[in-house]
Amino acid sequence: SQQGEEDPQALSIQEGENATMNCSYKTSINNLQWYRQNSGRGLVHLILIRSNEREKHSGRLRVTLDTSKKSSSLLITASRAADTASYFCAPCQGGSEKLVFGKGMKLTVNP
Amino acid sequence: GAVVSQHPSWVICKSGTSVKIECRSLDFQATTMFWYRQFPKQSLMLMATSNEGSKATYEQGVEKDKFLINHASLTLSTLTVTSAHPEDSSFYICSALDKVVNQPQHFGDGTRLSIL
Repeated sequence: SQQGEEDPQALSIQEGENATMNCSYKTSINNLQWYRQNSGRGLVHLILIRSNEREKHSGRLRVTLDTSKKSSSLLITASRAADTASYFCAPCQGGSEKLVFGKGMKLTVNP
Repeated sequence: GAVVSQHPSWVICKSGTSVKIECRSLDFQATTMFWYRQFPKQSLMLMATSNEGSKATYEQGVEKDKFLINHASLTLSTLTVTSAHPEDSSFYICSALDKVVNQPQHFGDGTRLSIL
């Protein structure tokens, strides 16, 4: 298992703006997953992108994956105050592998 | 979508008490469940991997006699914090992995444990 490193560690934006966060990892993966954690709650799975995919969309979320650079990005468009949360990426080599989480990225969307 | 129920959500008890936390997958079968611990403003730290019908695999530094894990069925894993002390106060989160390949983990809503 490997840990993803999110960047930046914190981001504060105004409602309506887009938020971009990046994730870097070190060794080859089968898929990469993004999760959100609201304060005091469990994690919510947002999106899973497989190693043979370059881009994936889900509602206001857009995830890209560049396996040559070992990096992924998560874009949240037209942000809302309810998007305020910590976001984590989890590179996964597949199977029933455990996930190792980094420090995450704390997003604050100001109304 | 897949739902994982974690119970209780909050527990306060005296030092020396043992506390059991349940993690249930409600609409899928989970051969593997994971237990995490999170201190305030920190990331999740994996404590152990729980496989149905076999012994749990603990991460380095996690005391197996302190944190007892039982995964008796494909939908239920339990974590028992034995003889809890104030330093065990934390936010405990479970997740469950669908036995279907290449699925994400589904997380419970966490249990806030406060030991007085």
